[in-house]
Amino acid sequence: KAGVTQTPRYLIKTRGQQVTLSCSPISGHRSVSWYQQTPGQGLQFLFEYFSETQRNKGNFPGRFSGRQFSNSRSEMNVSTLELGDSALYLCASSLGLAFGIQYFGAGTRLSVL
Amino acid sequence: AQRVTQPEKLLSVFKGAPVELKCNYSYSGSPELFWYVQYSRQRLQLLLRHISRESIKGFTADLNKGETSFHLKKPFAQEEDSAMYYCALRGETSGSRLTFGEGTQLTVNP
Repeated sequence: KAGVTQTPRYLIKTRGQQVTLSCSPISGHRSVSWYQQTPGQGLQFLFEYFSETQRNKGNFPGRFSGRQFSNSRSEMNVSTLELGDSALYLCASSLGLAFGIQYFGAGTRLSVL
Repeated sequence: AQRVTQPEKLLSVFKGAPVELKCNYSYSGSPELFWYVQYSRQRLQLLLRHISRESIKGFTADLNKGETSFHLKKPFAQEEDSAMYYCALRGETSGSRLTFGEGTQLTVNP
């Protein structure tokens, strides 16, 4: 069974631009969560989607948004990029909401110049 | 609010020595606790969860609700155990959301 797939693996953007990251969960998994990982703040929860609906949201500004499609694939979007958005963005999938193990993707490394 | 604290950012032991990675949490309910591990150049992966009460790769962890701790232990460390270890908590009403500690970088020296 294929693992969680995130694309692209690396991105370089400039301040003010927007970016879209993609996540394909493990087949059969319906819950997708997004996390931001930085050296200073560690792993921080962004949001979770289940059945195409956002179920949980972390403390991030509205510039961070996401969505989930009917096949459970998810995208997250960051608008008006700031230097501080440079981070590794991780996607995790699990069978359902609030149960099952979360399996993580390899991440997308975003650099904002 | 839920919080996970890993007091040691770095931990270095010799091969064959016992190792204990500390994890304390703050949560006003019955959380689910996990240990995740990230080996060099690999993705974050689950090591163990408290409800399974398993021993994975020789590691065990016991949830102590009185002390709100979930320390990870291994009696004899191996060089291949060198990695970043994260303690994580899932709350009863948090969906799948995990709150992570800051992580402990474990180095096992030969």
